[in-house]
Amino acid sequence: GAVVSQHPSWVICKSGTSVKIECRSLDFQATTMFWYRQFPKQSLMLMATSNEGSKATYEQGVEKDKFLINHASLTLSTLTVTSAHPEDSSFYICSATGILSYNEQFFGPGTRLTVL
Amino acid sequence: AQRVTQPEKLLSVFKGAPVELKCNYSYSGSPELFWYVQYSRQRLQLLLRHISRESIKGFTADLNKGETSFHLKKPFAQEEDSAMYYCALSIGNQFYFGTGTSLTVIP
Repeated sequence: GAVVSQHPSWVICKSGTSVKIECRSLDFQATTMFWYRQFPKQSLMLMATSNEGSKATYEQGVEKDKFLINHASLTLSTLTVTSAHPEDSSFYICSATGILSYNEQFFGPGTRLTVL
Repeated sequence: AQRVTQPEKLLSVFKGAPVELKCNYSYSGSPELFWYVQYSRQRLQLLLRHISRESIKGFTADLNKGETSFHLKKPFAQEEDSAMYYCALSIGNQFYFGTGTSLTVIP
């Protein structure tokens, strides 16, 4: 199956700093990428949907100025957590679908963010 | 409103017993439904989709439009089935995930 990678897999940062997480589709062109947040032992929470070359669509309650999403190419989307605070600590997961994937989402391994 | 409902957050069954994970959706059109699974310390992966009508790892799911359900079933649960299961609905390029059901198969 198609492979989606995320970098970094784990990041620790100080409160007030910004953190960028990359999501890459390694062997297919991702027309749509999704960003999720997952709290321990809880479900996925969709944060935003991004299509290549256009602005991301954010879910209700997700601050777009805080969680900046860029999907500049068909293989890369980035999520930047700006001015991170301890409550932003979470597991962030991206997924991607491509033209030929028939709506199947391929998930990245996730990035654990810890804000001190 | 929640598009996909998984009423059971936790489900425990004994090994060899039948298991059914419930999923109901809210959509009046023709839905595209999926089951995703997340094993411990692994990434989410597709288990099955209703379009393909296939059985994966012994699991099947039938779309019931009348009941707007897409329950996941397996006649004989195995220990390796213990995982988090998510039902998902696709409308266009929008995806809606249920809150997930954590399945534990007791040896």
